[in-house]
Amino acid sequence: DIKMTQSPSSMYASLGERVTITCKASQDINSYLSWFQQKPGKSPKTLIYRANRLVDGVPSRFSGSGSGQDYSLTISSLEYEDMGIYYCLQYDEFPLTFGAGTKLELK
Amino acid sequence: EVKLVESGGGLVQPGGSLRLSCATSGFTFTDYYMSWVRQPPGKALEWLGFIRNKANGYTTEYSASVKGRFTISRDNSQSILYLQMNTLRAEDSATYYCARLHYYGRPWFAYWGQGTLVTVSA
Repeated sequence: DIKMTQSPSSMYASLGERVTITCKASQDINSYLSWFQQKPGKSPKTLIYRANRLVDGVPSRFSGSGSGQDYSLTISSLEYEDMGIYYCLQYDEFPLTFGAGTKLELK
Repeated sequence: EVKLVESGGGLVQPGGSLRLSCATSGFTFTDYYMSWVRQPPGKALEWLGFIRNKANGYTTEYSASVKGRFTISRDNSQSILYLQMNTLRAEDSATYYCARLHYYGRPWFAYWGQGTLVTVSA
């Protein structure tokens, strides 16, 4: 199975700050990577697919990048509503595997 | 408007069975891959499996952790996705989400339901 190592596991950031979360796959996943945001008690929301393609309706302050084994999600200017847990998912090979999550909190 | 509404969760004893449903609306159900993902309380998401669309013969893929115990199926006449869960264990306790997948090279998760909670306990 492909292991997705997500970092950091948690972080504090200030409003307006630039935030980057990374995911490293245990092998090349050919950019078949998605990012999700989950708020407490809610279902996940898809932000990014194919490493860098923004889902319709997701604010442009979110962006994804990367290739091969290394990927990142960047929030260019943090807003209060961005607090939550972020997960990456590789969907290149079965079984699809998620990262362990990054909890983003307000400093 | 795309809607995915899960139901069927609840308390079940170890060794028991449960069938979850995901009622869908707002789109042509047969055009899409559908998937199930679960999340134990306070833990990360886990992919369980998916079922392909009509064009791909409604075939299925499963995670090894549930293969042989869980079955994904779909009622295309009623636009409902199912997850039949047998021989349930305490570690199957989780919120179960259905999702609609889109295709761009590979199927990716586009829409999610609100989830249904399954608790396996004596």
